[in-house]
Amino acid sequence: DTGVSQDPRHKITKRGQNVTFRCDPISEHNRLYWYRQTLGQGPEFLTYFQNEAQLEKSRLLSDRFSAERPKGSFSTLEIQRTEQGDSAMYLCASSKSGRGNIQYFGAGTRLSVL
Amino acid sequence: QQQVKQSPQSLIVQKGGISIINCAYENTAFDYFPWYQQFPGKGPALLIAIRPDVSEKKEGRFTISFNKSAKQFSLHIMDSQPGDSATYFCAATTPNTGNQFYFGTGTSLTVIP
Repeated sequence: DTGVSQDPRHKITKRGQNVTFRCDPISEHNRLYWYRQTLGQGPEFLTYFQNEAQLEKSRLLSDRFSAERPKGSFSTLEIQRTEQGDSAMYLCASSKSGRGNIQYFGAGTRLSVL
Repeated sequence: QQQVKQSPQSLIVQKGGISIINCAYENTAFDYFPWYQQFPGKGPALLIAIRPDVSEKKEGRFTISFNKSAKQFSLHIMDSQPGDSATYFCAATTPNTGNQFYFGTGTSLTVIP
């Protein structure tokens, strides 16, 4: 399967713990996006990388959230000191730069903070 | 502030009928308007997309109608099938903001056999 891969699919954690999610984009895609989706809502943009550079961050992304994309390949999203309000589906998408910008999404990581 | 407004929130259609979902936007810099389909437990999958230089795009049973002056676009699903039952999201994007997608709130479609 050459689609966007996310790991883990599900994560249950206790409030205050740190969690890290991984995203492997489609191999030739240089752009990578993180979105958060809560029940009954559309995905909300969190951050965006072009190659290894993090070019944009949403105001939704508090200082407890950090994302990296070393070497411009896979990306990690870390949430420190998780809160119950962090419970959501975290989606990763990738695309090629240029006009068109079709974003392909992974299946997401569902986070439950108890 | 919702950049893209979507309606209805839910829709029930009989098999063979036409499903219509509407979206509206304000930002005239948006230049790409995709529709995504999402099944429970899965990520969104691109269904069809349009640019503002055309008023309609058709792919199989799916058609996007685009009204640039009204800043509205809609998805029409012809001959709706039970397998089309899913949540549909419209979205919009502009290169001015790194091509992040602004999604609507989604429409839950149920097609009754």
